[in-house]
Amino acid sequence: AQSVTQPDIHITVSEGASLELRCNYSYGATPYLFWYVQSPGQGLQLLLKYFSGDTLVQGIKGFEAEFKRSQSSFNLRKPSVHWSDAAEYFCAVGAYTGNQFYFGTGTSLTVIP
Amino acid sequence: EAGVAQSPRYKIIEKRQSVAFWCNPISGHATLYWYQQILGQGPKLLIQFQNNGVVDDSQLPKDRFSAERLKGVDSTLKIQPAKLEDSAVYLCASSLVRSSGGWETQYFGPGTRLLVL
Repeated sequence: AQSVTQPDIHITVSEGASLELRCNYSYGATPYLFWYVQSPGQGLQLLLKYFSGDTLVQGIKGFEAEFKRSQSSFNLRKPSVHWSDAAEYFCAVGAYTGNQFYFGTGTSLTVIP
Repeated sequence: EAGVAQSPRYKIIEKRQSVAFWCNPISGHATLYWYQQILGQGPKLLIQFQNNGVVDDSQLPKDRFSAERLKGVDSTLKIQPAKLEDSAVYLCASSLVRSSGGWETQYFGPGTRLLVL
């Protein structure tokens, strides 16, 4: 069965520090991969997505993610975190064929000054 | 461009009552999704529409949940009767038409927070 795993429930980083949020998926073929952010009181917003091509994907707000087929991973990174990045981050996977779409359980990010 | 609209924003009901949520997608978006997000979990896809037809409702608890998308625009999701475990945020999203099985970017509404007492 298809699944998405975000191993880190909660991460705390200092403002200006680098960030990496982990995402692993389980699926037979390379699926469509997404990262969404959910800020308090706001809806889910797409940060970036990947299906094919360059395995390093650039997104909004200075985020990037790297697809590693050998590790079934799609980790999200940012070189320097801002206080406004504090939010819940979700990795999501869409089946290559079929209609299954799954979100991970999310990683809550706290940014300390 | 207006985003995805949902109403109501909050709803409190007692168990065994019925409730309905409304969603208006972004203009021109053929595909509409309903998700259930229980506290501390990621959203769970309940049902997908393409225009006014159901693409997939395999995760929808059909004994109590129903959804429709008349005329291929607005959609309603209904729960009847509600149970305590239905307390969650119900999210609506829309996207451009899915073609050849691909996944377009989904744009989410603010959600409806349901509390069942």
